[in-house]
Amino acid sequence: SYELTQPPSVSVSPGQTASITCSGDKLGDKYVSWYQQKPGQSPVLVIYDDTKRPSGIPERFSGSNSGNTATLTISGTQAMDEADFYCQAWGSSAEVFGTGTKVTVL
Amino acid sequence: QLQLQESGSGLVKPSQTLSLTCAVSGGSISSGGYSWSWIRQPPGKGLEWIGYIYHSGNTYYNPSLKSRVTISVDRSKNQFSLNLSSVTAADTAVYYCARVTSSGSYSNWFDSWGQGTLVTVSS
Repeated sequence: SYELTQPPSVSVSPGQTASITCSGDKLGDKYVSWYQQKPGQSPVLVIYDDTKRPSGIPERFSGSNSGNTATLTISGTQAMDEADFYCQAWGSSAEVFGTGTKVTVL
Repeated sequence: QLQLQESGSGLVKPSQTLSLTCAVSGGSISSGGYSWSWIRQPPGKGLEWIGYIYHSGNTYYNPSLKSRVTISVDRSKNQFSLNLSSVTAADTAVYYCARVTSSGSYSNWFDSWGQGTLVTVSS
């Protein structure tokens, strides 16, 4: 079955840039979405179709996807961005979520 | 504004059937060509997709759960439902319902989520 692998954790200082990777076989040929989940809350869509931001999502969130890796970038990270992040794409026969990355703003 | 609300039994005995309903408000479940989905998250773990019910009423399930899952829609009540049979402790999770938007056959994203409901499988 198809797998999406993310680093377990990423640490970033306030105001700096956080990059979260999502790796999968030929992932660049697929469409990737990203979700932010804060403790005790439901996930929130922050990027879809690799690079598009839903209305209401700050411009500091951006996405890219090429080769075997998709990347979610948070520019000018704020304390409120501390959360778990999950990538998602269609695998060979099912929707697949990544393993998840905890972003800590130090 | 679209809102989704899960409801159902929070405690299910092993081997029994888990049944949940997602009530949709702020919009019609039949409009816009949207599909609808269930997703679950075991405590402290990641997200797992369960299945879709498409605007057409057709369904598609995660192959890992396909033999035990049924998703259905009641358009008159503006809600859709999940049944998961023969549950075990491994099915203990927070269950979310979500709206699905698509830009193509293999481009789907979950743009509105319910608050989630914890289902515990235990005798």
